[in-house]
Amino acid sequence: GENVEQHPSTLSVQEGDSAVIKCTYSDSASNYFPWYKQELGKGPQLIIDIRSNVGEKKDQRIAVTLNKTAKHFSLHITETQPEDSAVYFCAASIGGGGADGLTFGKGTHLIIQP
Amino acid sequence: SAVISQKPSRDICQRGTSLTIQCQVDSQVTMMFWYRQQPGQSLTLIATANQGSEATYESGFVIDKFPISRPNLTFSTLTVSNMSPEDSSIYLCSVEGSDNIQYFGAGTRLSVL
Repeated sequence: GENVEQHPSTLSVQEGDSAVIKCTYSDSASNYFPWYKQELGKGPQLIIDIRSNVGEKKDQRIAVTLNKTAKHFSLHITETQPEDSAVYFCAASIGGGGADGLTFGKGTHLIIQP
Repeated sequence: SAVISQKPSRDICQRGTSLTIQCQVDSQVTMMFWYRQQPGQSLTLIATANQGSEATYESGFVIDKFPISRPNLTFSTLTVSNMSPEDSSIYLCSVEGSDNIQYFGAGTRLSVL
């Protein structure tokens, strides 16, 4: 089955700096790659996703890049703010969207230092 | 989008007992999923539940331990049977929204003593 590796497990950055979280996947058939943000005591919330026919997608301060050849994708957060502090999970699936179960990475605890 | 309500939000149970978790969605959805998130860990898919058919379980999860019902297009239940302390986790329901995105409930925090 699919295996998703995520790094780093903890990332501490100064407010206003950029943060980058990286994931790799094993199944070349995977074609949907969402990123979720989970705050303490809450369920995961989708912040951005990318499908395999696109190399990059941006939404304000958040961007995701995908390299299908290397089987890795990354989350980029610019101009970080205190409210960005949370656990971020990458995931992969072969269903092209939300119709299939997701395989998650182990998560990155992002800490924004004031 | 989809709004998901899970009940209970948390519970403390004795070993050997069972707990049924409810998941209610504000719109009709085809696909519903149940995940487990052990303390400080990632999410692991337990099973996929389609209305009108048996749930499909992932490797390592069996129906006798985690029976699932899906009586209609807005509701599902997951039962954690014959619980042991190792079952202490957050159990999350998710659905595929009309926009082809998976939405998650807030989860049920289960502690087994």
